[in-house]
Amino acid sequence: SSELTQDPAVSVALGQTVRITCQGDSLRSYYASWYQQKPGQAPVLVIYDKKNRPSGIPDRFSGSSSGNAASLTITGAQAEDEADYYCHSRDSSGNLLFGGGTKLTVL
Amino acid sequence: EVQLVESGGGLVKPGGSLRLSCAASGFTFSSYSMNWVRQAPGKGLEWVSTISSSSIYIYYADSVKGRFTISRDNAKNSLYLQMNSLRAEDTAVYYCARGWEEMNYWGQGTLVTVSS
Repeated sequence: SSELTQDPAVSVALGQTVRITCQGDSLRSYYASWYQQKPGQAPVLVIYDKKNRPSGIPDRFSGSSSGNAASLTITGAQAEDEADYYCHSRDSSGNLLFGGGTKLTVL
Repeated sequence: EVQLVESGGGLVKPGGSLRLSCAASGFTFSSYSMNWVRQAPGKGLEWVSTISSSSIYIYYADSVKGRFTISRDNAKNSLYLQMNSLRAEDTAVYYCARGWEEMNYWGQGTLVTVSS
């Protein structure tokens, strides 16, 4: 079955740039979306259609993709960006997929 | 303002049933696909089911297929999830979310605990 793979944890120094990656065969055909989830809160969409930001999402968040991988980049990470990040896509059957999540620590 | 409010969670014994509801407001509910997504304690997000705006297309994760049924009532701006034959591994916070390939609004979730 299709799946999306993420690194379990990533850290970044305050103000530096971090890239969170997601890999899966479905990403060759379908766009990725990215969600931020802080403890005790519902997920929030931060990137959709590979690289678009919903209104209210800071422009330090950006998305990209190449081949079977998608990436979420935070340029100038802030303390409030510390959270779990999940990639999301679909497969050819219409089923939806989430990556396992990446815990981002801002040092 | 878009609002999604889940209800119906609680404690249920293995093999039991539960019906979750999601009340939507602040947007034209009948124009959007809707989803149920769950999150087991300390775990990641897991997609459960999706229903298209007019209920023509319905999809389920393999883990719930044959046990869960998604439905909606566009006249009542409500989304439902009927959960039967519940198992311990169904214990999770269940979120309803608007959209399909991107879920741009989420409720706060309702906790379902399956335990004897």
